[in-house]
Amino acid sequence: EPEVTQTPSHQVTQMGQEVILRCVPISNHLYFYWYRQILGQKVEFLVSFYNNEISEKSEIFDDQFSVERPDGSNFTLKIRSTKLEDSAMYFCASSVPDTSNTGELFFGEGSRLTVL
Amino acid sequence: QKEVEQNSGPLSVPEGAIASLNCTYSDRGSQSFFWYRQYSGKSPELIMSIYSNGDKEDGRFTAQLNKASQYVSLLIRDSQPSDSATYLCAVNVRGGGNKLTFGTGTQLKVEL
Repeated sequence: EPEVTQTPSHQVTQMGQEVILRCVPISNHLYFYWYRQILGQKVEFLVSFYNNEISEKSEIFDDQFSVERPDGSNFTLKIRSTKLEDSAMYFCASSVPDTSNTGELFFGEGSRLTVL
Repeated sequence: QKEVEQNSGPLSVPEGAIASLNCTYSDRGSQSFFWYRQYSGKSPELIMSIYSNGDKEDGRFTAQLNKASQYVSLLIRDSQPSDSATYLCAVNVRGGGNKLTFGTGTQLKVEL
């Protein structure tokens, strides 16, 4: 069964360092997303990406964050200067293009980011 | 603020019983509703989607939607210990692209 894959599974970094989280969405999906979940809290939307541009972003997704689809398979989330409060599990998700916006998202296993 | 509310639990049910999980949402423009299961330390796994009022059954799972009351529920029949997890309600708002707003989740414990 096709799946979303994410790397690394766990990254530890020092505050102020840049981090890049990588995702390979399901091959025929065209919508891509990043969500995050701080330990013990709800899953929160960060950004959605379609047709090589950001389609929507939340207030969490400030100038420290960026996304990119550098080739035909990878989808990356970059955090330029990490803060302690960026420590969370980051989930990549993808979905099939759907004019009815049914929103069936399929999530990767997540990348746990720990900022020290 | 578009909110999705769930009782955090834990909800404890004996093995073989029916587990009933509930969710309310604030935005009447919501069009699509999802239940995800999340095991501790793992990613959300889609188990049910529902788009119109009424019931939708898939195996041991039944999702129920009442848009007038802004209420969606998930019933799990013949609960098994492997069903022990946190169940996340997620809502997609009309015009919101495919962005999902999640509730905090209800922890379900199925006891032997």
